Amino acid sequence: EAGVVQSPRYKIIEKKQPVAFWCNPISGHNTLYWYRQNLGQGPELLIRYENEEAVDDSQLPKDRFSAERLKGVDSTLKIQPAELGDSAVYLCASSLKPGTSGREQETQYFGPGTRLLVL
Amino acid sequence: QKEVEQDPGPLSVPEGAIVSLNCTYSNSAFQYFMWYRQYSRKGPELLMYTYSSGNKEDGRFTAQVDKSSKYISLFIRDSQPSDSATYLCAMNKGSNYKLTFGKGTLLTVNP
Repeated sequence: EAGVVQSPRYKIIEKKQPVAFWCNPISGHNTLYWYRQNLGQGPELLIRYENEEAVDDSQLPKDRFSAERLKGVDSTLKIQPAELGDSAVYLCASSLKPGTSGREQETQYFGPGTRLLVL
Repeated sequence: QKEVEQDPGPLSVPEGAIVSLNCTYSNSAFQYFMWYRQYSRKGPELLMYTYSSGNKEDGRFTAQVDKSSKYISLFIRDSQPSDSATYLCAMNKGSNYKLTFGKGTLLTVNP
């Protein structure tokens, strides 16, 4: 079974330019997460979707970041305009809806991430 | 103070050594405790998952949770060069799906 797919794997842009990241979750996973991982740090949640609904976007910097998950499958995360401090790895993860497997906690499966460098 | 503290290392051990990795946390509401392994240029992958206090063993890996001390550990027995990676502790409150991660500890196992 294919894992979480992300593209592009690497992106280099100049500050003030827009950038977009794409994620295709594991088939059947209706919960999707975007995390940001700064160098030497653990991932931090940006936004969580249940199907097409954003149910936790409290950590998303809404002045420049936006996300969408049309049709409740693929998702796109956009930054416009990018700043130097946005350089990081952007990770997408997916999971079953809690309780699906009989447990309250479902495993989050991570993609390989998109490594963004803003110059 | 961050909710989850983890010594970033780096930690270097010889092959066959027993490795101990630790995290402390401040939020007593955390109930689910996880250890993820992250190889260079890869996403994190779940290694161990524990609910509340206690021990859990899976092959060469043992996870321990002491909620009274707000302290969790991961032990790796007979460490192998293939165990060389960054180990991230993570936890959440159960019904809250947001995972709070530690910084990660970079482990190198030397042949």
